[in-house]
Amino acid sequence: QKEVEQNSGPLSVPEGAIASLNCTYSDRGSQSFFWYRQYSGKSPELIMSIYSNGDKEDGRFTAQLNKASQYVSLLIRDSQPSDSATYLCAGRSGGGADGLTFGKGTHLIIQP
Amino acid sequence: EAQVTQNPRYLITVTGKKLTVTCSQNMNHEYMSWYRQDPGLGLRQIYYSMNVEVTDKGDVPEGYKVSRKEKRNFPLILESPSPNQTSLYFCASSIALGDYEQYFGPGTRLTVT
Repeated sequence: QKEVEQNSGPLSVPEGAIASLNCTYSDRGSQSFFWYRQYSGKSPELIMSIYSNGDKEDGRFTAQLNKASQYVSLLIRDSQPSDSATYLCAGRSGGGADGLTFGKGTHLIIQP
Repeated sequence: EAQVTQNPRYLITVTGKKLTVTCSQNMNHEYMSWYRQDPGLGLRQIYYSMNVEVTDKGDVPEGYKVSRKEKRNFPLILESPSPNQTSLYFCASSIALGDYEQYFGPGTRLTVT
């Protein structure tokens, strides 16, 4: 059974600070990882994708992947109240017809 | 506007009454998928389709059916709904299976009494 684990939170971070969201996965065959943001009552939207070990930066967001440790993280710099949402980590296995396996999400609260 | 649409957005029904939730995308995507989202359980895949007439089970397919007769449409069918199918349902599509962004529909909140 492929699993993606996230701390459900809530994670409370002051405005302007760095928010760090973490995710671990059980399937060593997972090749690709995605971070989705979901506002309450809305559908998930893609924030970042990462496929290789190391860091990937996009604006205020940085995704980090460590395949040896089976660990993925998302850093949000200069956190804004509008970043308050649930963040879903998802992994996809290479090959076959597998879709995404989602974690249960981390609820992030940015305190003004 | 590129989008995934779902109908209805909200539905309250009774046990055993067949229902269909429609999903349509206007992006010419090959891959479409249905998820359900429940508190404490996260998003779980029900069924997916890699192209017209090609569908397969996801992690929680019991009690659901799908069809893919046209590329743009991927309806979810509950032949005999039960209360444990009360959930928030999302349809999603992407260009193809692989490392592509999945675009999610707005969701359908289903209550089965």
